[in-house]
Amino acid sequence: GAVVSQHPSWVICKSGTSVKIECRSLDFQATTMFWYRQFPKQSLMLMATSNEGSKATYEQGVEKDKFLINHASLTLSTLTVTSAHPEDSSFYICSASLQAEEQFFGPGTRLTVL
Amino acid sequence: KQEVTQIPAALSVPEGENLVLNCSFTDSAIYNLQWFRQDPGKGLTSLLLIQSSQREQTSGRLNASLDKSSGRSTLYIAASQPGDSATYLCAAALGTGNQFYFGTGTSLTVIP
Repeated sequence: GAVVSQHPSWVICKSGTSVKIECRSLDFQATTMFWYRQFPKQSLMLMATSNEGSKATYEQGVEKDKFLINHASLTLSTLTVTSAHPEDSSFYICSASLQAEEQFFGPGTRLTVL
Repeated sequence: KQEVTQIPAALSVPEGENLVLNCSFTDSAIYNLQWFRQDPGKGLTSLLLIQSSQREQTSGRLNASLDKSSGRSTLYIAASQPGDSATYLCAAALGTGNQFYFGTGTSLTVIP
């Protein structure tokens, strides 16, 4: 299957700082990328959908000004958590798909905000 | 919005037993449904993808079925092994936008 990478795999930051997470599709061009968040012992929750070259579509309850998503190319999407707080600590997973077919998931990024 | 539920939330079985995991969804207009496993602290491993026009998919000891009219999917695991211990998630995709809505997960423990 196709490979999706995320960087970094884990990050620890101080409260109030911003953190950028990268999601890359390594061997295919992804027309759409998705960002999910998973709190401990819970399932994945879709945060936003991003299409290359256009603004991301955010799910209800997700602050677009706090979670900035940029999908500048067909192989790269970034999620920036601005002014992070401890409640933002979570496991963030991206996925990429090509023309509404199977989604391929990245390995996830664990964010801990102190 | 799609609501996806999985039953049971946790399951413990002895090695070698066959088992069924259940997934139900509220909106039958799904584009596809996918089953994943997730090991603790890890990302997702795709197991099976069923398109809306299909009724089942098989891979090795795994068989997934889809009944759109009743809003249900099942994952059948034959001859379970301790290495099958993980959390199993189903996810339903709506429309061509392909947003996935994940179920609550079933935590499986296979006892040697």
